[in-house]
Amino acid sequence: DIQLTQSPSFLSASVGDRVSITCRASQAISSYLAWYQQKLGKAPKLLIYAASTLQSGVSSRFSGSGSGTEFTLTISSLQPGDFATYYCQQLNTYPLTFGPGTKVDIK
Amino acid sequence: EVQLVESGGGLVQPGGSLRLSCEASGFTFTIYWMSWVRQAPGRGLEWLANINQDGSEKYYVDSMKGRFSISRDNAKNSLYLEMNSLRVEDTAVYYCARGRSWVDSWGQGTLVTVSS
Repeated sequence: DIQLTQSPSFLSASVGDRVSITCRASQAISSYLAWYQQKLGKAPKLLIYAASTLQSGVSSRFSGSGSGTEFTLTISSLQPGDFATYYCQQLNTYPLTFGPGTKVDIK
Repeated sequence: EVQLVESGGGLVQPGGSLRLSCEASGFTFTIYWMSWVRQAPGRGLEWLANINQDGSEKYYVDSMKGRFSISRDNAKNSLYLEMNSLRVEDTAVYYCARGRSWVDSWGQGTLVTVSS
């Protein structure tokens, strides 16, 4: 199975900050990666797919980059509604796997 | 508006069985792959299985093969997850989700608790 790691696992930031989350795959997955946001007690929400394609309706403050084994989710200016847990998911090989998550909290 | 509504969760004893259902509305169910994803309390997301449009292709996470079975009824716009030989570690919120790989719509989830 392809393993995903995320760093950092926890991130404390302020409103207006630019933050980046890294997702690394145990083997190359081309651009077959998605990013999700999950708020407490809610279902996840798709933000980015194919590594860098913004899902319809998602704020342009979110962007994704990378290919192969290293990927980045960037939030250009953190807003109060962005405090949540973020997960990456590889879409290259079955079984599809998620990263362990990065919790973004208010500083 | 896309809606996915899960049902069938609840408390079950170890070794027991449960069938989860997901009723879809607001989109053409028959043209989408569908998936199940779960989340244990306080833990991350785990992809479980997906199924193609006519039910002829199914993929599972290895640890679920033989215990869990995904199916669909296009006439009823419904997705199912049959779970057998349930273990304490299967306790989780189970989400119905639209998509083959990335998931663009999720249900609210149904809680399955496996405990004696």
